[in-house]
Amino acid sequence: DTGVSQNPRHKITKRGQNVTFRCDPISEHNRLYWYRQTLGQGPEFLTYFQNEAQLEKSRLLSDRFSAERPKGSFSTLEIQRTEQGDSAMYLCASSLGEFEAFFGQGTRLTVV
Amino acid sequence: DQQVKQNSPSLSVQEGRISILNCDYTNSMFDYFLWYKKYPAEGPTFLISISSIKDKNEDGRFTVFLNKSAKHLSLHIVPSQPGDSAVYFCAAGAAGTALIFGKGTTLSVSS
Repeated sequence: DTGVSQNPRHKITKRGQNVTFRCDPISEHNRLYWYRQTLGQGPEFLTYFQNEAQLEKSRLLSDRFSAERPKGSFSTLEIQRTEQGDSAMYLCASSLGEFEAFFGQGTRLTVV
Repeated sequence: DQQVKQNSPSLSVQEGRISILNCDYTNSMFDYFLWYKKYPAEGPTFLISISSIKDKNEDGRFTVFLNKSAKHLSLHIVPSQPGDSAVYFCAAGAAGTALIFGKGTTLSVSS
């Protein structure tokens, strides 16, 4: 399978716990994006990387959120001290330059 | 401030007829536009795109039209099939930025 891979697919956590999600992009893609989607909304941009450099962060990305892409390969998104409002589908996408972004299947986070 | 708007939350069409999904944008810096299709519990799947230098792009049953002066684009699906039933997202981007998505339109195609 050469598509974008996200793990885990589902995560249930207690409020206040930290969670980390992983995204493996399509291998030749230099751009990697994180989006969040809640019910009735479109994907909302969180942050993106070109290779290992984090180029843009949305104001949605509070200081409890951090993303990394070491060596320009896979990426991780960590949420510290989770809140119920963090419950959402977290989507990762990758692209080659400015072209079409291809999405993974997402990680469904439920904070209880 | 929503830069990409899909004003119709839902659309119902009969099998074999045309589906037309609409999208408006406000940022004149956008220079490429895309449509994605999404099934429940899956990530969005890329369908078709168009650059701002074109006004039409066709791929099989899917055609995207761009009207830059009106800041409007539309996706036409002809003929519509029950398997086309999904949520369709319009997205727009500019050089050096990430894609911005609309809220989506749920298409239901009945047989």
